[in-house]
Amino acid sequence: EAQVTQNPRYLITVTGKKLTVTCSQNMNHEYMSWYRQDPGLGLRQIYYSMNVEVTDKGDVPEGYKVSRKEKRNFPLILESPSPNQTSLYFCASRGVDSREAFFGQGTRLTVV
Amino acid sequence: TQLLEQSPQFLSIQEGENLTVYCNSSSVFSSLQWYRQEPGEGPVLLVTVVTGGEVKKLKRLTFQFGDARKDSSLHITAAQPGDTGLYLCAGARYGGSQGNLIFGKGTKLSVKP
Repeated sequence: EAQVTQNPRYLITVTGKKLTVTCSQNMNHEYMSWYRQDPGLGLRQIYYSMNVEVTDKGDVPEGYKVSRKEKRNFPLILESPSPNQTSLYFCASRGVDSREAFFGQGTRLTVV
Repeated sequence: TQLLEQSPQFLSIQEGENLTVYCNSSSVFSSLQWYRQEPGEGPVLLVTVVTGGEVKKLKRLTFQFGDARKDSSLHITAAQPGDTGLYLCAGARYGGSQGNLIFGKGTKLSVKP
């Protein structure tokens, strides 16, 4: 089954404690993105990647890092999380010949 | 800067009513997409419109892409409670990175029985 898998689904952490949210897709897609979704602000792109070792900033990259060492994986790293990063995060992937983005089920992160 | 403006932001209607959701921009897009998102889930693609003036139908849902490729609309006929959800438009800009899909803030639709 074609899917984008994020882990964990829910995470509560404390300010300053480094964390990683994993994202994996099994569709051999070139493009992968991370979004955060906040009430009243919609889906905002954090980072995206066009292929292995190619990443670029989206609209709200501050406080986040990503890496794309393998085509299937695109982890999101918060080196020093802060409460304003409390949000619902989505990973998405898309093939180079397709306009359809496939989304993971989301990771609800709370930073206290 | 929000490149894609959706309206209305919230819509609460009775079963059987018709409704239209709008997605507007000052930018030109190579394509526009509509997604539907249910609570606790990621967005799922409904349709992609590519050609200016294009109209696509998906059962009771009608999607239109503006002639100038800057706007789109979603019309639902005889809405049903199962249509309840968050509707998002998304665009891929000309000249922008192919991976950079921009989303509107969404329209939260509630259809009451």
